[in-house]
Amino acid sequence: GAVVSQHPSWVICKSGTSVKIECRSLDFQATTMFWYRQFPKQSLMLMATSNEGSKATYEQGVEKDKFLINHASLTLSTLTVTSAHPEDSSFYICSARDIRAGTDTQYFGPGTRLTVL
Amino acid sequence: AQSVTQLGSHVSVSEGALVLLRCNYSSSVPPYLFWYVQYPNQGLQLLLKYTSAATLVKGINGFEAEFKKSETSFHLTKPSAHMSDAAEYFCAVSEGQKLVFGQGTRLTINP
Repeated sequence: GAVVSQHPSWVICKSGTSVKIECRSLDFQATTMFWYRQFPKQSLMLMATSNEGSKATYEQGVEKDKFLINHASLTLSTLTVTSAHPEDSSFYICSARDIRAGTDTQYFGPGTRLTVL
Repeated sequence: AQSVTQLGSHVSVSEGALVLLRCNYSSSVPPYLFWYVQYPNQGLQLLLKYTSAATLVKGINGFEAEFKKSETSFHLTKPSAHMSDAAEYFCAVSEGQKLVFGQGTRLTINP
């Protein structure tokens, strides 16, 4: 199988603080991971592509200084929301790209619900 | 750029009835196509994927989808709906290493 975990599953923080979300591929190595944001009753919006050992690639309109991404190992990517504000409250989902045995499939984590007070 | 259209933001069927969720894509080259399911407050779970092998793809939980190049469609079906199938379903097409998602279809099952 291909299992991706996220931690924490939910977090509440005060405005102005920073929050770190971890995404791990548990049973495979992923050189590429993705971070998405999902608003209520909407589809996923790709925020950035995280590449192991290099800088992340951000989608247009996503503030890279606000959403810091680090992909320091083949099984871990982190998203840090810096100086969070209420408008950053959302459901954040990561995925890891599995390219073993010629497949090319993204497997998703369970998501992290961020609430900024 | 690729795009995915899911016809019907909300589909409601009776328990035991046929489930049909529609997905059309735009692609000038043979794509990889995916269906994912999302239960409330959870991430996405892969239902099935088309990778240019058989055009009829069988997935988990009794779902299957048929790739029709002439119609640029990849509709998801299940012969008999179960209450546990109630969820949000997303169709996606590959664009390089990224995925382009449709807007999603909420499936409701009536007892």
